Amino acid sequence: GDSVTQMEGPVTLSEEAFLTINCTYTATGYPSLFWYVQYPGEGLQLLLKATKADDKGSNKGFEATYRKETTSFHLEKGSVQVSDSAVYFCALLNSGNTPLVFGKGTRLSVIA
Amino acid sequence: AAGVIQSPRHLIKEKRETATLKCYPIPRHDTVYWYQQGPGQDPQFLISFYEKMQSDKGSIPDRFSAQQFSDYHSELNMSSLELGDSALYFCASSLRDPPEKLFFGSGTQLSVL
Repeated sequence: GDSVTQMEGPVTLSEEAFLTINCTYTATGYPSLFWYVQYPGEGLQLLLKATKADDKGSNKGFEATYRKETTSFHLEKGSVQVSDSAVYFCALLNSGNTPLVFGKGTRLSVIA
Repeated sequence: AAGVIQSPRHLIKEKRETATLKCYPIPRHDTVYWYQQGPGQDPQFLISFYEKMQSDKGSIPDRFSAQQFSDYHSELNMSSLELGDSALYFCASSLRDPPEKLFFGSGTQLSVL
């Protein structure tokens, strides 16, 4: 079945450091890929998405490129802020009515 | 813009009690999903509905049931609650076609004592 694998956390960075959170997937067909963010005490929020190969999703300084050849959708940000501290989930949505499949999540802590 | 509304926000129950969680999807969304997220865990899919019919079933225990009503809101009914049922329960809604991003509610935090 479809699955998503994320790098294990927690990840601790200093403010203004470069962030990469790796995500790879296994799926049949041509899924859409997403990054969701969960801030402390809050629900899941869509951060960015890409619906086809070579698409780049971007939002709030975060970027991720859909790489079909490497089945990856790594999340990057050039300069993290303390307010970026949260748990980040990579997710996959295949065609039809299949449910969203999440990775295990990666906790990011940014220190000033 | 209207979002996915879940109620209650917090719920405290004792073992063997029952609980009902409610979800109101974004207007015109035809698909509702329920997810369970244990402490420090990723969300696990429970069940989904499309046009008031069960669409897909995940790791939902037999003690749980759910339905979607004519106004598209959904309820998750949980009986014989166990300590391990303590979790954050998310509802999400979307349009089935085309399958795009899900919009999540803020969740119901269920604590079973």
